[in-house]
Amino acid sequence: NAGVIQTPRHKVTGKGQEATLWCEPISGHSAVFWYRQTIVQGLEFLTYFRNQAPIDDSGMPKERFSAQMPNQSHSTLKIQSTQPQDSAVYLCASSSVSNERLFFGHGTKLSVL
Amino acid sequence: GDKVKQSPSALSLQEGTNSALRCNFSIAATTVQWFLQNPRGSLMNLFYLVPGTKENGRLKSAFDSKESYSTLHIRDAQLEDSGTYFCAASSSGSWQLIFGSGTQLTVMP
Repeated sequence: NAGVIQTPRHKVTGKGQEATLWCEPISGHSAVFWYRQTIVQGLEFLTYFRNQAPIDDSGMPKERFSAQMPNQSHSTLKIQSTQPQDSAVYLCASSSVSNERLFFGHGTKLSVL
Repeated sequence: GDKVKQSPSALSLQEGTNSALRCNFSIAATTVQWFLQNPRGSLMNLFYLVPGTKENGRLKSAFDSKESYSTLHIRDAQLEDSGTYFCAASSSGSWQLIFGSGTQLTVMP
């Protein structure tokens, strides 16, 4: 079991460019979460999928951020027109069902210059 | 205010000593999870708790839902225990894990 896989590990974009972050949850896990971590805000919930369906995106900035889960083996987080304040570590996590033990990937460190 | 409040925010220990970290909840927490984030940034799940206690090697955790707190005890601290410990709680009917701000632990030789 390789755990939750996130790619890339690091991404540097220029202001205004698009960034796509990838997550492969643990095989068999039906719940997938995206979190964002910064020094100032700590760990913030972004969005949640269950059985590939979007359940809760209340943590997502309303503009420029979108997430999809086209199949059970991967999810993507897309940020359009990136801004410096989007710089953070984006963490994907999965669990067998919601409210069960959560396993995180190593994260993608996004730096917007 | 903070829904999940961790204390202390930072802690230094001598190798071989014991310590306890604490989380207080202002939400009606039904489950608690404890994580260790190592210096490279990886978050490792240490415990998943419903009310009660669990033990794993030198670590022991307790969750009291009535008194709204959880503790993580570290026995015989080792250098590799250094990192940031996070607790996170969920409440009934919610899938969101709400994280505390973390306790930064440094174990010194």
